[in-house]
Amino acid sequence: RKEVEQDPGPFNVPEGATVAFNCTYSNSASQSFFWYRQDCRKEPKLLMSVYSSGNEDGRFTAQLNRASQYISLLIRDSKLSDSATYLCVVTHYGQNFVFGPGTRLSVLP
Amino acid sequence: SQTIHQWPATLVQPVGSPLSLECTVEGTSNPNLYWYRQAAGRGLQLLFYSVGIGQISSEVPQNLSASRPQDRQFILSSKKLLLSDSGFYLCAWSVGGGEETQYFGPGTRLLVL
Repeated sequence: RKEVEQDPGPFNVPEGATVAFNCTYSNSASQSFFWYRQDCRKEPKLLMSVYSSGNEDGRFTAQLNRASQYISLLIRDSKLSDSATYLCVVTHYGQNFVFGPGTRLSVLP
Repeated sequence: SQTIHQWPATLVQPVGSPLSLECTVEGTSNPNLYWYRQAAGRGLQLLFYSVGIGQISSEVPQNLSASRPQDRQFILSSKKLLLSDSGFYLCAWSVGGGEETQYFGPGTRLLVL
């Protein structure tokens, strides 16, 4: 089993839609969680950290379920500019980041 | 503010040729530094990381090597490139501790022919 798995995608949604991405991780000792966004042929950029209580940043909401070892990212009111690959990242104390394979999102006009 | 630079942006090299990619960070001291590779359509693979000058840890066996001659300089090298070395090479830094947020440079796209 891979350490971090994500929805395979791609997700093709119309502008204004709500879309949710799922990510599961295998290491129960994992402590820090992030969502990165990667545009085509560009470097990954931090979208948001994921906290145990869940957190929201504008149209983006991240949730963490430690019992199920599951992380989600919800995007409301999708914009064309949200088109990108979304990377789930997991790490545990003293260890390095483990990136998921990414889920590609295309927001269509 | 902190910035991270990588060069060159793109590189086309023949099989068997040497490689040197450079990464520098500005605006911070004693960062953790990382080299990743991303093959076409694939996820990021951690190649090397460094917690200080001269301290290099390798995550996967390969024909690549890394060096950290200065606090904010990280170099990825190869003596003889293979076709399978083609990919998108990304340098990243963090303030310290593997679980801290990592920030990526713009990357070098390498094509080995």
